Amino acid sequence: KNQVEQSPQSLIILEGKNCTLQCNYTVSPFSNLRWYKQDTGRGPVSLTIMTFSENTKSNGRYTATLDADTKQSSLHITASQLSDSASYICVVSDYSGNTPLVFGKGTRLSVIA
Amino acid sequence: DAGVIQSPRHEVTEMGQEVTLRCKPISGHDYLFWYRQTMMRGLELLIYFNNNVPIDDSGMPEDRFSAKMPNASFSTLKIQPSEPRDSAVYFCASSLGTGSYGYTFGSGTRLTVV
Repeated sequence: KNQVEQSPQSLIILEGKNCTLQCNYTVSPFSNLRWYKQDTGRGPVSLTIMTFSENTKSNGRYTATLDADTKQSSLHITASQLSDSASYICVVSDYSGNTPLVFGKGTRLSVIA
Repeated sequence: DAGVIQSPRHEVTEMGQEVTLRCKPISGHDYLFWYRQTMMRGLELLIYFNNNVPIDDSGMPEDRFSAKMPNASFSTLKIQPSEPRDSAVYFCASSLGTGSYGYTFGSGTRLTVV
């Protein structure tokens, strides 16, 4: 069964600090992996997308990594800001293109002053 | 483009009442998805449509849930009768495809059944 597991479930960090969120998946055959950010009271919004051949992709202070061999991804947030407080959801697509995206349960990040 | 539009944003209803959630997808998107989100289970796919036709409704919890898409610009999710365990945030999303393309989500409807 296609699954996406994320850790930690929740995280609290001080403003200005860095953090890394983890994602492990069993989706096969793999097509791409996305990280979504979901602010409180809003729908998820895509941050990055990574395909099989990509190892690292940055979007401002967000850097995503992908190891397709071990089926792991991480999202690193640098110099965190209060506005980074949100849930971060790892989402994986299989290669068939015929089945819906598989969503992780997310990591709830709280950045405090 | 205004994005995916859902209404209402909040709904509070009594157990046993009928609830109807509405969604307007992005124009040109062929796929529409209904998700339910809770703290325990995260985002759960309930049903999705392709060109207004339901493709997979295996995620619909039980017969109390039904969804329709009468045209390309409108979909409804109905719960009848509602129960307290239906309380959750319901999201609608639309896309150009199922997997290769990302989904654009609406802002959700927070449903509380008392």
